[in-house]
Amino acid sequence: AQTVTQSQPEMSVQEAETVTLSCTYDTSESDYYLFWYKQPPSRQMILVIRQEAYKQQNATENRFSVNFQKAAKSFSLKISDSQLGDAAMYFCAYRSGGSNYKLTFGKGTLLTVNP
Amino acid sequence: GAVVSQHPSWVICKSGTSVKIECRSLDFQATTMFWYRQFPKKSLMLMATSNEGSKATYEQGVEKDKFLINHASLTLSTLTVTSAHPEDSSFYICSAGREIQETQYFGPGTRLLVL
Repeated sequence: AQTVTQSQPEMSVQEAETVTLSCTYDTSESDYYLFWYKQPPSRQMILVIRQEAYKQQNATENRFSVNFQKAAKSFSLKISDSQLGDAAMYFCAYRSGGSNYKLTFGKGTLLTVNP
Repeated sequence: GAVVSQHPSWVICKSGTSVKIECRSLDFQATTMFWYRQFPKKSLMLMATSNEGSKATYEQGVEKDKFLINHASLTLSTLTVTSAHPEDSSFYICSAGREIQETQYFGPGTRLLVL
């Protein structure tokens, strides 16, 4: 079974600074997808970014980018120019490449943004 | 696009009663929907996978007779908590898969409090 590990229960960053959230995963599959979801205090899960394992290029979405290291099974999220609205719980998630859409989540990292 | 709604957003009920939660994909058809449970400051725990027109697939340890799932159409799945007890109090979240983009989109969640 696949596992997702987020080793940082909490992180903090100063507004306008950059922060990196770590995520590692364990799988024997070659075809899969990785996601970062954000859950603010409202508890609405919001997709931040997604990466297909077959793509070598790291995904980026505005201020959010990932460092995908397939051999190391690492998938970190970098948030640049942090904003107060980035404060949230961040979950890393894994999905197999087949027709099974099941997501395996990490335990989450609580990000605090200090003004 | 890719909006998922849940109703109700919160519900309080007496012990022994049943509660139904609806999950709707508003602007796309979802052959597969998922139901999660989340405890405070914890990650999402997958309860079951709901497939349109067929029986739901439950995760290990989830009582099928306790948590009834019906996926009657391509835009609606329901979760019924039968004979609810205080230990069923939790935050329940649904998600729907858009096959083409292979990403899950989440509803806003339902807070259930059983007295």
